[in-house]
Amino acid sequence: ILNVEQSPQSLHVQEGDSTNFTCSFPSSNFYALHWYRWETAKSPEALFVMTLNGDEKKKGRISATLNTKEGYSYLYIKGSQPEDSATYLCAFFSNAGKSTFGDGTTLTVKP
Amino acid sequence: EAGVAQSPRYKIIEKRQSVAFWCNPISGHATLYWYQQILGQGPKLLIQFQNNGVVDDSQLPKDRFSAERLKGVDSTLKIQPAKLEDSAVYLCASSIRDNSYNEQFFGPGTRLTVL
Repeated sequence: ILNVEQSPQSLHVQEGDSTNFTCSFPSSNFYALHWYRWETAKSPEALFVMTLNGDEKKKGRISATLNTKEGYSYLYIKGSQPEDSATYLCAFFSNAGKSTFGDGTTLTVKP
Repeated sequence: EAGVAQSPRYKIIEKRQSVAFWCNPISGHATLYWYQQILGQGPKLLIQFQNNGVVDDSQLPKDRFSAERLKGVDSTLKIQPAKLEDSAVYLCASSIRDNSYNEQFFGPGTRLTVL
């Protein structure tokens, strides 16, 4: 079983605050890491697919970094908006063909 | 482009009954996944198909769960008989191919309640 941990479990911020979450995964046998956003009553939606150590990806106000040697990825949201409220999931894929999702970080942005 | 379709959206059954879920992936997507998501946890992979062949079913409780993907397109997941602990959201996802470098596209899920 692959151990993938996300922290914090939940986060409440005010509109305009910047925030970040962590996804920790095994530092060996890395193949890829995915980030997904899951809004209530909707389907999970892919944010980023990260494959190389040092990868940095950005989509609007959301960005992510990847450190495969130490086994972590950060997701940053700059200037949070109420529409950013969702659960953010990371999924680790090993080169042995196995994958595991973390339990997610639930973000609530208050207007 | 149409997304991943799933039905039903909600299902309530009593324990020991049977239930089936249906998934239609995005056209042209070779890989199809079924996940079980229990409240407060991340999605757990139950089974992964590449076209109509099984790639990974190591976490599928095979004594009660079964899945098939006929003709490499639609898929059904069945639970027989259901237990209380099967209450969860069942998500279907597809990706264009199976190399983990491709994002997965998820359906809306089926919320199963077992009483």
